[in-house]
Amino acid sequence: AQSVTQLDSQVPVFEEAPVELRCNYSSSVSVYLFWYVQYPNQGLQLLLKYLSGSTLVKGINGFEAEFNKSQTSFHLRKPSVHISDTAEYFCAVSDKSGGSYIPTFGRGTSLIVHP
Amino acid sequence: KAGVTQTPRYLIKTRGQQVTLSCSPISGHRSVSWYQQTPGQGLQFLFEYFSETQRNKGNFPGRFSGRQFSNSRSEMNVSTLELGDSALYLCASSLDGGGHTEAFFGQGTRLTVV
Repeated sequence: AQSVTQLDSQVPVFEEAPVELRCNYSSSVSVYLFWYVQYPNQGLQLLLKYLSGSTLVKGINGFEAEFNKSQTSFHLRKPSVHISDTAEYFCAVSDKSGGSYIPTFGRGTSLIVHP
Repeated sequence: KAGVTQTPRYLIKTRGQQVTLSCSPISGHRSVSWYQQTPGQGLQFLFEYFSETQRNKGNFPGRFSGRQFSNSRSEMNVSTLELGDSALYLCASSLDGGGHTEAFFGQGTRLTVV
């Protein structure tokens, strides 16, 4: 079964600083990769996804992520964060299992942006 | 277009009771998935329904069940509630549930068992 590890449970950062949220998954032949964001008392919203092609994926709100197959990683980055980026971020991986793709989510990383 | 709607938003139940949660997917979406979110376990997959059939199931006891109607609306039922069932229950809909398609999440139902 697929497993997803988000290495940092909490990442504090100052406003306008760069940030990287790390995500590693267990090896698989064919995977789709996602990053979701969850604001307080809200559901999850898709930030970006990797299906195939270019390993650098750009998403909403200035976020981007890079797929690294050899390291089985999909780290999320933003060059300059805003207070409004404070939220919980989830990495998810879809791995074909029994004919259907069932996404596995990481435990989440809480991004805390300080003024 | 309208997003995924979950009702109710908040619920308080007593141990031993049962509860039914509802999810209305985005119009045209045929796949509905349910997740349990807790601080200790994160997001855990409960089950997925597609065209009124349960297509995938996570590792939860039989007390957790669901169904999907012909209009793709889905309900989730938890019987004989336990304190550990307190969680945020999220519903997500997608066009066909394929791994490449985006899942749209509702705001969730926060269930508290006392």
